[in-house]
Amino acid sequence: AQTVTQSQPEMSVQEAETVTLSCTYDTSENNYYLFWYKQPPSRQMILVIRQEAYKQQNATENRFSVNFQKAAKSFSLKISDSQLGDTAMYFCAFMTTDSWGKFQFGAGTQVVVTP
Amino acid sequence: SQTIHQWPATLVQPVGSPLSLECTVEGTSNPNLYWYRQAAGRGLQLLFYSVGIGQISSEVPQNLSASRPQDRQFILSSKKLLLSDSGFYLCAWSVDISYEQYFGPGTRLTVT
Repeated sequence: AQTVTQSQPEMSVQEAETVTLSCTYDTSENNYYLFWYKQPPSRQMILVIRQEAYKQQNATENRFSVNFQKAAKSFSLKISDSQLGDTAMYFCAFMTTDSWGKFQFGAGTQVVVTP
Repeated sequence: SQTIHQWPATLVQPVGSPLSLECTVEGTSNPNLYWYRQAAGRGLQLLFYSVGIGQISSEVPQNLSASRPQDRQFILSSKKLLLSDSGFYLCAWSVDISYEQYFGPGTRLTVT
């Protein structure tokens, strides 16, 4: 069974600073996908970034980037130049290619951006 | 563009009452559909998923059921609600099993 672990329940960061969220996962599969979703106070789940396991290059999306370490089974998210609108719960999610789209979500990390 | 709707947005129901939550997707055909539950301060738990009309797979045995009467409609039901059914219910869709999922706005259910 696959598991996803987010060890940081909450993190605080000042505007314009950088914060890194950790995520580790456990799987015996070789082909899979990893995602970061954010859930702001509105509770709408929004896709932040996606990474295919077969790609060595780390995914980036504007101010969001990941550090994907396949051997270590680590998938951290870096938020650069933090903005107040980045305040949200961030979930790491894992999906194998043969799981029919079934995500395994971590417990989440609450990010609070302060002025 | 694709959009996903859920209703109602909030619902307060007494224990033992029935439940029907609806999710519809616009702008795509034959989507994969998912129901999740999120307890307060917790992550998401997959409840059901569907890869086609009438095809429902259950992930967690409980007193909830799901149906897909139309291609872009997904319904979550219960005959008798329990207190433990309270939570935030999210519907999601994906164009393919290997692609990211897009979530609806959610329904906050409180069972009293």
